[in-house]
Amino acid sequence: DIQMTQSPSSLSASVGDRVTITCRASQTITKYLNWYQQKVGEAPKLLIYAAFSLQNGVPSRFSGGGSGRDFTLTISSLQPEDFATYYCQQSYTTPRTFGQGTKVEFK
Amino acid sequence: QVQLQESGPGLVKPSQTLSLTCNVSGGSITSDNYYWSWIRQPPGRGLEWLGYIYHSGSTTYNPSLKSRVTISIDKSKNHFSLHLSSVTAADTAVYYCATYNWKDEGWFHPWGQGSLVTVSS
Repeated sequence: DIQMTQSPSSLSASVGDRVTITCRASQTITKYLNWYQQKVGEAPKLLIYAAFSLQNGVPSRFSGGGSGRDFTLTISSLQPEDFATYYCQQSYTTPRTFGQGTKVEFK
Repeated sequence: QVQLQESGPGLVKPSQTLSLTCNVSGGSITSDNYYWSWIRQPPGRGLEWLGYIYHSGSTTYNPSLKSRVTISIDKSKNHFSLHLSSVTAADTAVYYCATYNWKDEGWFHPWGQGSLVTVSS
């Protein structure tokens, strides 16, 4: 199985901060990497697919980057509604696997 | 826009079989674009993909659960189902159904709202 490791596991930030979350795969996954946002009590929501493509309706302050094994999710200016847990997920091979999550908390 | 809704018992006894159904609306389960997936999340923990099914009936399962999991599809009812046998407390989780868009790179979207299943006697 491909292991997905996110860092940090949690972070504290303020509204307006630039936030970057990283995701590393245990082997190359080219650009088969997706990002999801999950708020408490809700299902995950697709933010970014294929490493850097923004899902319809997702604000442009979210961006994705990277290829190979290392990927990033950046929120350019954190908004109150962005406090949530973020997961990366690889679609390079089965079993489809997720990172352990990064919780973005209010500082 | 496809919408998904899980249904099934919220409580299952240990050693029994957990069964959930995902009703698909706003689109056909026979679409060539999608695999129909199950993903679970134990309380306070991360996400685990269980497997998916194509409208042809072809299935792919997570090897970690392969011997216990079965996913089936009912095209006449536009729904698909999850069966997980010999459950233990470790199978307590919120179970999500989701659409896997397999063309191009592949991603899960949309998701159902989730169904909490507790394994307890």
